[in-house]
Amino acid sequence: AQSVTQLGSHVSVSEGALVLLRCNYSSSVPPYLFWYVQYPNQGLQLLLKYTSAATLVKGINGFEAEFKKSETSFHLTKPSAHMSDAAEYFCAVSESGGYQKVTFGTGTKLQVIP
Amino acid sequence: DTAVSQTPKYLVTQMGNDKSIKCEQNLGHDTMYWYKQDSKKFLKIMFSYNNKELIINETVPNRFSPKSPDKAHLNLHINSLELGDSAVYFCASSSSANEKLFFGSGTQLSVL
Repeated sequence: AQSVTQLGSHVSVSEGALVLLRCNYSSSVPPYLFWYVQYPNQGLQLLLKYTSAATLVKGINGFEAEFKKSETSFHLTKPSAHMSDAAEYFCAVSESGGYQKVTFGTGTKLQVIP
Repeated sequence: DTAVSQTPKYLVTQMGNDKSIKCEQNLGHDTMYWYKQDSKKFLKIMFSYNNKELIINETVPNRFSPKSPDKAHLNLHINSLELGDSAVYFCASSSSANEKLFFGSGTQLSVL
C-alpha cells in the first residue's frame, strides 16, 4: 500500500529564506510523486511531479523537489520564500499514475514572515 | 474558461436532508474524482469514474451516490446527511495520458 508522511503540519520562514517542506513516501512499486499547493478557499494546484525521469524536478513558482530513493523522500524546496508562497502544501503518491488512486499527505501549512 | 467547476461553493443544511453537488470539467478528460477534505485538511479520495464507469470506491457510506451522466460531469448526491459529513468536497479530473489532477475550488458542506 502507498502512503506519504509530511513532517511538520506548520512551517514558518522569513521572507527571502530557504523553504524546505519534508515528505517521505512508502510504495511497493516505483512511485509517481507530486507536490500540490492549496491557497485559501481554492482547490489544489499541481506544483511539480516526479515520474521516474530526472530525480531533481523543477516546478512552478521557483519550487523544486528531489527524489531520493535511498531515503524514500521527496522534499520540496525553494531558495527564497516570497509572501505569496504562504499556502498549504500537499505531498502525494501514486503507484501507477493516471487514473489510479493518488494518496495525499496531511499537508504542511507554510507561513512566510515579512 | 473555468477548467473544473463545481456548485454550489457553500452548502449549509440540516441533518437528515438530501443534497447534491455538481461538477463539470471542460478539459476533455476521461477521469473524474470526488475527494473529501476534513477539518484537519486531510484529503481522501472517495470515488473515481473513468469514461462514466466507477473504478474507485473507497469505503464510502452508501448514502453517497456519485452519478456520471457523461464524461464531463460527475455529480455527488448525499442522502440523510450527518454531522460528520461536514467537510470540503473537491471534484477533480485527469487524463489517462497525464498524471496531473485538476481540482475544482471546492464545496464547503456544513451539516447542522
